[in-house]
Amino acid sequence: SQQGEEDPQALSIQEGENATMNCSYKTSINNLQWYRQNSGRGLVHLILIRSNEREKHSGRLRVTLDTSKKSSSLLITASRAADTASYFCATIAQGGAQKLVFGQGTRLTINP
Amino acid sequence: EPEVTQTPSHQVTQMGQEVILRCVPISNHLYFYWYRQILGQKVEFLVSFYNNEISEKSEIFDDQFSVERPDGSNFTLKIRSTKLEDSAMYFCASSEDRFGYTFGSGTRLTVV
Repeated sequence: SQQGEEDPQALSIQEGENATMNCSYKTSINNLQWYRQNSGRGLVHLILIRSNEREKHSGRLRVTLDTSKKSSSLLITASRAADTASYFCATIAQGGAQKLVFGQGTRLTINP
Repeated sequence: EPEVTQTPSHQVTQMGQEVILRCVPISNHLYFYWYRQILGQKVEFLVSFYNNEISEKSEIFDDQFSVERPDGSNFTLKIRSTKLEDSAMYFCASSEDRFGYTFGSGTRLTVV
C-alpha cells in the first residue's frame, strides 16, 4: 500500500510543551498533507508540503519532508489544550492518482 | 472562507434501506471525492469524480455505491442496500487542482 505508519499512535504532553508526530510512506509522492480531526468531527486541513519542499511553517506548525527517507514530521510548538485532537498525514502519489491516502493517525492529548 | 457542506450531519437507517448522502462542493472546484472513516479507523478513499464521471474508485466502492452530480452544484453518494458494516463517517471533499483538498464536516451514517 502507499501509506506507512504514523508514530507515535498516541502522545500525551503538558500544555506549553512541543509535540512532534512522524509519518512514513512507501511510494513516490506529489505532496504530503497534514490534517487535524477533533473527536468524531470533520477533517481540517493544516498544511501541504510538496515533494520538492523540505520544510514549511504555518503559525505554530512546522512540517518537514525527507523524500529520501519517505518520511515527514509535524511539530506543534507551545501546545495548547485546544490542540488536543487526532492528527493524520495523507499523501498523493506521483503520476495520475488523485486520491489521498491517509495514515492511521496520532492521538494527541494536551494536559492543562 | 468557502466551505464544503454536507447534509445530513447524522443519518440512521435500517439495514437494506437506500441512503443518499449529499454534498455541496466549493463552487469553482472541479474535482470531487468521497471518503469514509469507520469508527476508530483511518480515513479511506472511496471515489473521485471529474468532468461528470468517476475518475478513480477503490475496491470498497462496489455496485452498492453510486455517485451523481445531478444539478451542477450537489454531489451525492448513494448506497443502494445498506449493511451494518456501512456504518461510518462519510466525508465529501472538493479540490480546484486535485492536490489541495477541502473536506466537509461529514455525515455519520448508522445502520441498524
